[in-house]
Amino acid sequence: DAGVIQSPRHEVTEMGQEVTLRCKPISGHNSLFWYRQTMMRGLELLIYFNNNVPIDDSGMPEDRFSAKMPNASFSTLKIQPSEPRDSAVYFCAGGSGGLSTDTQYFGPGTRLTVL
Amino acid sequence: GNSVTQMEGPVTLSEEAFLTINCTYTATGYPSLFWYVQYPGEGLQLLLKATKADDKGSNKGFEATYRKETTSFHLEKGSVQVSDSAVYFCALSSYDYKLSFGAGTTVTVRA
Repeated sequence: DAGVIQSPRHEVTEMGQEVTLRCKPISGHNSLFWYRQTMMRGLELLIYFNNNVPIDDSGMPEDRFSAKMPNASFSTLKIQPSEPRDSAVYFCAGGSGGLSTDTQYFGPGTRLTVL
Repeated sequence: GNSVTQMEGPVTLSEEAFLTINCTYTATGYPSLFWYVQYPGEGLQLLLKATKADDKGSNKGFEATYRKETTSFHLEKGSVQVSDSAVYFCALSSYDYKLSFGAGTTVTVRA
C-alpha cells in the first residue's frame, strides 16, 4: 500500500498564478479531506468529500479556492489566482467511513510558496 | 463548539527521559480522542486513539487514557528515544467526521 499520494511535494509560484494540488487517496477509502497547515493558524480543514461528493466546504477561505473529486482515486485543490498569504503546507487525508471514530490517513503534503 | 488545548512547547528532553504532553478538551456529546504525530517533512500519522471514557490507547510505548471527568487525554512515554523527536497533535472528533486539532507540541530528544 503506497499510502496517500500528493503531488507536487513542493510548489513555488508567483502571485496571480494558478496552482493545482493533486491527491490520490488510499484505495477503498471513501472520505477525503483537504487541510492547510500554517504556523499562525495550525491545521485547518478546508473541504470534506464523501463518496466523491463535497459534503462540507465551509473551511474554504474564499472563491479563489476550489476542489474537485471526479472519481474515487483522485482529487484536486486549485487556487486561482494565488496570493502570498496562501503559502502553507496543504495536506490531503482519507478515511474509510466518515465517522467520529475513524482514523484519517494523511499524505506527505504539498509545501506551497507564493512569491 | 469543540476545542483542544495542549501543552505548549517546545519540549526538549534527554534520551530515556519520561515524556508527558498534557491535552484537555471541550466537546459536545461523546468525542473520540486521538494523538497524531508528525515527523519532519512528513504528514500526520495516527499514534493512538480512544473512543470512549476510560479507554487507554497505546502504541510504540506511548499511552493516553480518556478521562471524561477531567476532560483530558494526556500523552505519556516512559523512556523516549531520539527517533521520538516530532510534533505531537491532540485531536478530537465528536458527532461528525471533523477533527479538531490542538496547536501541536514540538518534542526534541537529545542523545
